[in-house]
Amino acid sequence: AQSVTQLDSHVSVSEGTPVLLRCNYSSSYSPSLFWYVQHPNKGLQLLLKYTSAATLVKGINGFEAEFKKSETSFHLTKPSAHMSDAAEYFCVVSVNVYKLSFGAGTTVTVRA
Amino acid sequence: NAGVTQTPKFRVLKTGQSMTLLCAQDMNHEYMYWYRQDPGMGLRLIHYSVGEGTTAKGEVPDGYNVSRLKKQNFLLGLESAAPSQTSVYFCASSFDGYGYTFGSGTRLTVV
Repeated sequence: AQSVTQLDSHVSVSEGTPVLLRCNYSSSYSPSLFWYVQHPNKGLQLLLKYTSAATLVKGINGFEAEFKKSETSFHLTKPSAHMSDAAEYFCVVSVNVYKLSFGAGTTVTVRA
Repeated sequence: NAGVTQTPKFRVLKTGQSMTLLCAQDMNHEYMYWYRQDPGMGLRLIHYSVGEGTTAKGEVPDGYNVSRLKKQNFLLGLESAAPSQTSVYFCASSFDGYGYTFGSGTRLTVV
């Protein structure tokens, strides 16, 4: 079965420093993977998606993620955190066209 | 603005009451979904629809019913609300089953 595990429930960074959010996936075949962001009391916004093209995926707001099959990982990074990046982030795998499987989420806090 | 609209945004119910959550999309998407979000559990699929007139169960369907009488609308019903259904409910739609557009959510409290 396809699933994802987010390795950190909470990440705290200083403004201007790099952000790393870790996600491992489990899949019996090449998966479609996504990162979504949810700001407080808002809906979910797609940051980026991997669908078996380039392994380094660039998303919105300076985020990118690298698909590593050998490590079954899809970590999200950003070189320099901004205060507006404070939010909850979800790593997601597409089980099939009818279902997404969500990780438990990582809450990002950005310190001034 | 094009997108997914959920109504209401907030609701408080008493145990045993019923209600319907409405989701409307104006992107002509075939696929629509209802998820619930609980702390530390991500989003879990309640029901979904692959087209007008079709519905199917997701991973947590008990206590909920859905209908998709029109392509643009997907209704989620609670016949007899229970405290365990206190949650934030998200509707989503998709053209191809891969790129999802989410609504802003409905925060439901059952007391």
